[in-house]
Amino acid sequence: ETGVTQSPTHLIKTRGQQVTLRCSSQSGHNTVSWYQQALGQGPQFIFQYYREEENGRGNFPPRFSGLQFPNYSSELNVNALELDDSALYLCASSLDSRNYNEQFFGPGTRLTVL
Amino acid sequence: AQSVTQLGSHVSVSEGALVLLRCNYSSSVPPYLFWYVQYPNQGLQLLLKYTTGATLVKGINGFEAEFKKSETSFHLTKPSAHMSDAAEYFCAVSDKGRDDKIIFGKGTRLHILP
Repeated sequence: ETGVTQSPTHLIKTRGQQVTLRCSSQSGHNTVSWYQQALGQGPQFIFQYYREEENGRGNFPPRFSGLQFPNYSSELNVNALELDDSALYLCASSLDSRNYNEQFFGPGTRLTVL
Repeated sequence: AQSVTQLGSHVSVSEGALVLLRCNYSSSVPPYLFWYVQYPNQGLQLLLKYTTGATLVKGINGFEAEFKKSETSFHLTKPSAHMSDAAEYFCAVSDKGRDDKIIFGKGTRLHILP
């Protein structure tokens, strides 16, 4: 059984650029959640996708957007990058969002915005 | 709105001593409660969770936590600290019966002294 994987591991961008982060769910999982973890802080919920549709969103601006594909992998897109977007971005997959199911986290993508 | 407060951003204990990491939560509905551990440059690993049933929950690596509704607490303990326990620990809460959005505390860095 393959766990949650994320790519790339590290990324450096400049202010104003756009970035796409990728996440492959654990086998059999149809729900993906994305979190932003700033340095020294706990992760903050960005949004969740269930069967290719957004299923909840945290307090993040519209320049944070996402996609989930038929194979349940997912992308997080951030436009017009700002310095404060520098963080570890974590994705987590789970079996089904309608009832509690444990979320399994990937290792994260470290984004640095200069 | 749900929230989590972790008391103490840094906790130091001697190897072999009791580990106690404090967490208080706020939730308008019966919560799910979690403790996660994060080792340097890694994602989050679930230590234990409370959903329903027994209020004393046992997790991996010898950790346990007790859900105390009257005190709105979910403190994490381990009888005897090991050097390998040095990590960041996050307490978290989510709503029952809704999406799996998890609200994290700011974390407690556990230092183990030789």
